[in-house]
Formats: sequence, structure tokens, C-alpha cells
Amino acid sequence: GAGVSQSPRYKVTKRGQDVALRCDPISGHVSLYWYRQALGQGPEFLTYFNYEAQQDKSGLPNDRFSAERPEGSISTLTIQRTEQRDSAMYRCASSPGGPANTEAFFGQGTRLTVV
Amino acid sequence: KNEVEQSPQNLTAQEGEFITINCSYSVGISALHWLQQHPGGGIVSLFMLSSGKKKHGRLIATINIQEKHSSLHITASHPRDSAVYICGGGSNYKLTFGKGTLLTVNP
Repeated sequence: GAGVSQSPRYKVTKRGQDVALRCDPISGHVSLYWYRQALGQGPEFLTYFNYEAQQDKSGLPNDRFSAERPEGSISTLTIQRTEQRDSAMYRCASSPGGPANTEAFFGQGTRLTVV
Repeated sequence: KNEVEQSPQNLTAQEGEFITINCSYSVGISALHWLQQHPGGGIVSLFMLSSGKKKHGRLIATINIQEKHSSLHITASHPRDSAVYICGGGSNYKLTFGKGTLLTVNP
């Protein structure tokens, strides 16, 4: 596709379940980022990939959160044993280089609701 | 204190008015991004700038590196400009964003 694609768009899950959120970046983009956005807030950095290498995961809230990008393209953000506080919009972005010098393209996001 | 502060938080304007949204940052950045978040939730990148000024249609973004301040201007505002405008920046790969400014343009 032409843009960053995320799936699912909406996910409702019961507390304690695991969820996997998928991001399909723009083809050829080197950098991939995951952000989390709470209502009324700006996006908050979670993790960054350069190709398949996870170069920074300092924004992941705790060890229930993990992300991978095994072939340097599609990425999956996994949340284990979900809690209500995990409810948020999860956004993926990609850029052809690093964001310091290139534009970041955002996906539509996955709205996660933990009930 | 947030590393990126935007003002105002909310802004209501009449169609045709000139709009200014401000962004101040305390982090070191190599580029400043302006994003537009539509009511449906989608985010569009408007500008990325590291110095001076950029213009795209009715939108103008400026940045003053010394003062660590950026502004987004909208000329001849239109109801379709109603959205949340978010600024953010970073050095290397890590972007820090402000909370956003909710702009409502009434007809």
C-alpha cells in the first residue's frame, strides 16, 4: 500500500488476555516507531527499529510490552496480560531514514480497549 | 515540566481568521515536526523543519532554534482546518511530542 497500515483498527480485549498489534510500514522505509497516545495527549514514544534491529525500547512501560520486526519490514507490538491502563491508541510510524532528518509517516493507529 | 509545550491548548476561530499555534521545547532537537490529527484519529505530517520557514498552501511553519520556539500559522482558516495540531521534535530517532492544540474553525 501507499501508506503505513496498522491492524486491527480497533481491538477490544478482556483484562489478562494477550494482544498483538501489527504495523506494515511504507515499503523501503528503514525506520519504524511505535507510539502510544492517550486521550488528550500527544504521542508517547515506545520503541524504535532500524531495519530489524530494535535500537531503543526505553519507552516500553514494563516487561509485558514487547516488539519485533524480524525481517526489517512488518512489526508486531505485543502486550501480554493486558490491563485496563493499557487502553490507548497505539500508533506506528515509519520514515525512510532517521526522524531527525526525514519525515515520519503515521499509520491510522489501533484503538485498544481493555475491559 | 513537559519537554515540549504548546499553546494555546484550545483555539476557536471564525472562518477566514489568521491562526497561530505556538510550540516551545526544552529538548535538544535536530528537527521539529508539525502533525495534524483529524477528528477521525488519523495523523498527517505537515512539516519537518530544522531552520527558517516552510510554506505549504495556507500553512506556514517557522522555527527559531536559538529561542527553541516554533509557530504554525494558518491563513484564511476554513472549517476543514479543524483538527488537533501537534508539534514534536528530537535528535537522532526519538521524537517527543506536545499534547496538541485543538483548533475549531466555525463557519
